Amino acid sequence: QKEVEQDPGPLSVPEGAIVSLNCTYSNSAFQYFMWYRQYSRKGPELLMYTYSSGNKEDGRFTAQVDKSSKYISLFIRDSQPSDSATYLCAMIDYRDDKIIFGKGTRLHILP
Amino acid sequence: EPEVTQTPSHQVTQMGQEVILRCVPISNHLYFYWYRQILGQKVEFLVSFYNNEISEKSEIFDDQFSVERPDGSNFTLKIRSTKLEDSAMYFCASSGQPGPSSGNTIYFGEGSWLTVV
Repeated sequence: QKEVEQDPGPLSVPEGAIVSLNCTYSNSAFQYFMWYRQYSRKGPELLMYTYSSGNKEDGRFTAQVDKSSKYISLFIRDSQPSDSATYLCAMIDYRDDKIIFGKGTRLHILP
Repeated sequence: EPEVTQTPSHQVTQMGQEVILRCVPISNHLYFYWYRQILGQKVEFLVSFYNNEISEKSEIFDDQFSVERPDGSNFTLKIRSTKLEDSAMYFCASSGQPGPSSGNTIYFGEGSWLTVV
């Protein structure tokens, strides 16, 4: 089983809709969970950073971590065409500094 | 906002040639990383570097690769004899002290796109 699984999409939703992006993981030692946004041929840009289980909100973005289910989510409210990008979930094992990325979900917001 | 800068943005090189990719991490950061992303695939960890030595490296980071912090600002990745399969986007990243496993986030540069022909 891969360490981090993420549906690559593409996911197309109309402007203004709520977007839900998800990842599952298998490593119980993952303690830090992140969501990055990546535009084509650009570097990953940190969107959300959470520690352990719970919710974290930042503007239109909400990150949710459920460690018991090994499942994390990113919700985007009032989606905009500028949100169109690839969204990468990422996790860190508390024992080292390596980030393990999901493959990314390509998101298209249709105007 | 402080950022990680990388040069060159794109390099084309012949198979077997040496390549050096350069990075200027965020100025007060002490942990440095290289990641790579082959086209269409996930971002993969290569190496982490702290206190002038490698902290961790992946199985990808074999003897063809080396990293160096030649002065107080630059952090370089050298590929000694490039192979076709080294074609990828290489991302430099940095984080504050202590490293991300203690709560500091990693910031990525824009990437250096390497094409080996």
